[in-house]
Amino acid sequence: EAGVTQFPSHSVIEKGQTVTLRCDPISGHDNLYWYRRVMGKEIKFLLHFVKESKQDESGMPNNRFLAERTGGTYSTLKVQPAELEDSGVYFCASSTGTNLDTQYFGPGTRLTVL
Amino acid sequence: QKEVEQDPGPLSVPEGAIVSLNCTYSNSAFQYFMWYRQYSRKGPELLMYTYSSGNKEDGRFTAQVDKSSKYISLFIRDSQPSDSATYLCAGLTGGGNKLTFGTGTQLKVEL
Repeated sequence: EAGVTQFPSHSVIEKGQTVTLRCDPISGHDNLYWYRRVMGKEIKFLLHFVKESKQDESGMPNNRFLAERTGGTYSTLKVQPAELEDSGVYFCASSTGTNLDTQYFGPGTRLTVL
Repeated sequence: QKEVEQDPGPLSVPEGAIVSLNCTYSNSAFQYFMWYRQYSRKGPELLMYTYSSGNKEDGRFTAQVDKSSKYISLFIRDSQPSDSATYLCAGLTGGGNKLTFGTGTQLKVEL
């Protein structure tokens, strides 16, 4: 069974540009999460989807970030316009949604904003 | 104050040593405590979790939680070079889905 996949693995953009990150969860996982790790800091929660609905978006830093999960399958996270402080590693995780189910993480997308 | 504090290391030990990794937390609402292992350029992978206070053992790994002192520990016995990774502790509230991570401790087990 394929794990959580993320694309691209690495993105380098200039300040002010737009970047879209993609996450494909494990097949059948209704829950999808986005997390971010800024250099030197801990991994922080961004938001949580249950199927196509946003369950919790309390960690989204500001309105330059837009997450979507149309059809309840893959998800995209768009940053527009990107700022220097958006640099970091963006992780996606998925889970089945049962009580205390394991969140399976993807390898992350390393975003560098110059 | 961070909700989960963890010494970033790096921690270097010889093969076969017992490793002790520790975290403290401040959020009293945490009921579940996880340990994740992350290899370089990979995503975090769940090692084990405990519910409330107590111990849990899985092979060479033992997780301990002391809720009275808000202290979380992971012990690795007979450490191997393949254990070299970053170890992340995390807390989870009851019924919640949002993991709150520490910064991670980088461990290197040397031959």
